[in-house]
Amino acid sequence: AQSVAQPEDQVNVAEGNPLTVKCTYSVSGNPYLFWYVQYPNRGLQFLLKYITGDNLVKGSYGFEAEFNKSQTSFHLKKPSALVSDSALYFCAVRDYGNKLVFGAGTILRVKS
Amino acid sequence: EAGVAQSPRYKIIEKRQSVAFWCNPISGHATLYWYQQILGQGPKLLIQFQNNGVVDDSQLPKDRFSAERLKGVDSTLKIQPAKLEDSAVYLCASRPDLRYYNEQFFGPGTRLTVL
Repeated sequence: AQSVAQPEDQVNVAEGNPLTVKCTYSVSGNPYLFWYVQYPNRGLQFLLKYITGDNLVKGSYGFEAEFNKSQTSFHLKKPSALVSDSALYFCAVRDYGNKLVFGAGTILRVKS
Repeated sequence: EAGVAQSPRYKIIEKRQSVAFWCNPISGHATLYWYQQILGQGPKLLIQFQNNGVVDDSQLPKDRFSAERLKGVDSTLKIQPAKLEDSAVYLCASRPDLRYYNEQFFGPGTRLTVL
C-alpha cells in the first residue's frame, strides 16, 4: 500500500526566514503526491501536486515542493515565511482507486 | 464556483445516540469521499462513492456507520449508535473525474463530540 511519513510533528520558523516541511513516501509504481493545508476549524485546502515532469512544483500562496526520487521525498518549501502561514500541513499520496492516504500532519508555527 | 458544503458544523451527542452528517459536493463532481480525522492524526478514508455507487468502504465500521449518496449528488453519513472513540472531524471531499491525478476538494468538516 502507498504511504507517506511526516517526520516532524512541529516546525518553528521566524517570519521572513525560509521554511521546509518534510515528507517522505513509499509507493509501488509512479508516485502522485499532494500537499494540503488546514487552518483551525477549516477543511483542507489544496496547495500543490506532483504528477510528473519538473521536480520543483510551484503551488498556491508562494509555496513550492521539491520531488526527489532517489530520496523518496517531497518536501514543502517557501523562501520567506509569513505569520499567516501558521497552520497544519498534510502530505498525501494517491492510492489505488483515486484515494488519498495522508500523513499525520506537521504543525507550522511562524513567529514574528 | 461554490465549494463543498457540509452541515452541521458542530455536533455534541451522548454515547449510544445517533447522528447524521450531510454533504453537498461541488456541482458536477462524480466522486465523493468521507474522511474521519481524529485529533492529532491525518484524515482517514471511510467511504468513496462514484456517482451513487460505493467504490470503497473497506475502512467503514459497518456495524455502526452507514452512508448513502442518493441520485449521485448529496450524501449523508450516519453513526448509530455512537461511541466515545467516534469523536472526530468528519470531512467530505469531492473530485472531478476528468483526470486521474485531479486533486480532491474538501468541505469545512463536521466536528463531532461524543460524551
